[in-house]
Amino acid sequence: DVKVTQSSRYLVKRTGEKVFLECVQDMDHENMFWYRQDPGLGLRLIYFSYDVKMKEKGDIPEGYSVSREKKERFSLILESASTNQTSMYLCASSSGERNYQPQHFGDGTRLSIL
Amino acid sequence: DAKTTQPPSMDCAEGRAANLPCNHSTISGNEYVYWYRQIHSQGPQYIIHGLKNNETNEMASLIITEDRKSSTLILPHATLRDTAVYYCIVMSSGNTPLVFGKGTRLSVIA
Repeated sequence: DVKVTQSSRYLVKRTGEKVFLECVQDMDHENMFWYRQDPGLGLRLIYFSYDVKMKEKGDIPEGYSVSREKKERFSLILESASTNQTSMYLCASSSGERNYQPQHFGDGTRLSIL
Repeated sequence: DAKTTQPPSMDCAEGRAANLPCNHSTISGNEYVYWYRQIHSQGPQYIIHGLKNNETNEMASLIITEDRKSSTLILPHATLRDTAVYYCIVMSSGNTPLVFGKGTRLSVIA
């Protein structure tokens, strides 16, 4: 079974802090994604990556950056956390070789910025 | 990507089969039907996907009509733990960023 592990289920940080959210997958997937999910707004794509050291902006990249130094790990960074970044953050991965294969998600990190 | 239409909510008695419909009348020939579910406060869970043939795995069965304009997800013996929001998505590739609609809120009742 595919396992996508996010480092924290719940996280509380203060405004202005630099926040790191980590995601690791164990299926040697090429593709990794970061989404945020808010009530009434559904899933929104922040960044994605199709390979090591590459990244692409999604629909709402402002205020975020990402890092993919190793194939299995995709990190989301909030450069200077703000209260409007309070949300559920979801990491997903999928195979790049068989592009009909689905994305698999982690359990999510519920981040609160005070 | 084709749009989907799902009923907003359904109830199912525990132990009975839950049949969740999805309409996707504008589906293209290269688009797959994917089903996910999301239990409250958890990440979305992949259930099953198919192109045109019916599919079955350990979680569910997917029945796709011959014209591919609709499909049904079947949970053969629903349990209380199957209470969740179920999303039907049509995409040509699993690599495409996902867009969830409103889904169907399934309540399994004891």
